[in-house]
Amino acid sequence: EAGVAQSPRYKIIEKRQSVAFWCNPISGHATLYWYQQILGQGPKLLIQFQNNGVVDDSQLPKDRFSAERLKGVDSTLKIQPAKLEDSAVYLCASSLVDGSYEQYFGPGTRLTVT
Amino acid sequence: AQSVTQLGSHVSVSEGALVLLRCNYSSSVPPYLFWYVQYPNQGLQLLLKYTSAATLVKGINGFEAEFKKSETSFHLTKPSAHMSDAAEYFCAVSDGSSASKIIFGSGTRLSIRP
Repeated sequence: EAGVAQSPRYKIIEKRQSVAFWCNPISGHATLYWYQQILGQGPKLLIQFQNNGVVDDSQLPKDRFSAERLKGVDSTLKIQPAKLEDSAVYLCASSLVDGSYEQYFGPGTRLTVT
Repeated sequence: AQSVTQLGSHVSVSEGALVLLRCNYSSSVPPYLFWYVQYPNQGLQLLLKYTSAATLVKGINGFEAEFKKSETSFHLTKPSAHMSDAAEYFCAVSDGSSASKIIFGSGTRLSIRP
């Protein structure tokens, strides 16, 4: 079974530029999550989708971050414009809607904003 | 609201020694609790979870954790450390109701001395 795929793995941009990350969840997983993990901290949930609907985006900085999950499969997270404090690893995870609470994580995208 | 506190950002043990990583939680409802492991440049992997069944939970790679309601703790242990256990470990909590939203602790980095 293929795992959660993310691309790119690394990205370096200058502040005020825009960037997009892509995630392909495990086949059949209806729930998809985007987390931000700042160095030395645990992952923080940015947005959660179930199929192509948003379940929770309470911690997404909506003035600069946006995310979509068209057709309930792949997802894209965008930052525009980026700030220095956005430097972090962006993790995508997916899970079944079966009450198991098991989230499967991708390898992440390491973003450096200079 | 749920939260977790991991005591000790860095723990170092000798190979073959007992591993003990501490986690205390706060939850207004019976919690679901998790331990995840993160190897360098990889995503998180579920080690074990407590979902209101047996209080002693066994996970992968010889790890186990015990849910102690009276102490609001969910400490992770392994009888004998191996070099391959060196990684970052995250404790996490969910209230089990809000569409499987999980709150992560800040992590504990485990180092193994030869």
